[in-house]
Amino acid sequence: QVRLVQSGAEVRKPGASVKVSCRPSGYTFTSHALHWVRQAPGQRLEWMGWINTGSSDTKYSQKFQGRVAISRDTSASTAYMDLSGLRSEDTAVYYCARDPWMDVWGQGTMVTVSS
Amino acid sequence: SQELTQPPSVSVSPGQTATITCSGPALGERNVCWYQQRPGQSPLLVIYQETKRPSGIPERFSGSNSGNTATLTITGTQTLDEADYYCQAWDSSTAHLLFGGGTKLTVL
Repeated sequence: QVRLVQSGAEVRKPGASVKVSCRPSGYTFTSHALHWVRQAPGQRLEWMGWINTGSSDTKYSQKFQGRVAISRDTSASTAYMDLSGLRSEDTAVYYCARDPWMDVWGQGTMVTVSS
Repeated sequence: SQELTQPPSVSVSPGQTATITCSGPALGERNVCWYQQRPGQSPLLVIYQETKRPSGIPERFSGSNSGNTATLTITGTQTLDEADYYCQAWDSSTAHLLFGGGTKLTVL
């Protein structure tokens, strides 16, 4: 069974950073790119970027350029999304999803930014 | 960037046909996907490449795409189809992936 398992909920203060992990299972890690998508409470889905898990090439949404870093560790078969300079508007559920078509999604990681 | 526009809400009676649209410049030239999201759950892919259904998605879900509008059609809508639906497409001009604003489907 193909699954994407994400790390647990996080609480951060404004200005801090957060790193969310995504560990696929049920397929070869490097055979599919991974996207990161977030959803603020009551809001639309918002694409943040993606990583080619084979080459580690990345592409980021212009909105998050300079604040987000997506990486992967092939030895751990895990991808990571690092968001820095957190503000209250970054409070959201963060998802990883498998390329192409985003046919498999992680369970989501709630990140709360609050002083 | 080019935005994708969806109606905020659509209402249908059980057994009727629900139609959800997604509009954007030259959308007919792009691969469009549709996702269903129930409250508190992760999104679920229901249509990809405009018309294809992943394994396990009921035949009552279908998609089309022409001109500037993609359409998700649910034939014989059931109460369990009540959810938010999002369209998604790649914007080649910015190399960004876009989502529509979402449509809340109410079945009553």
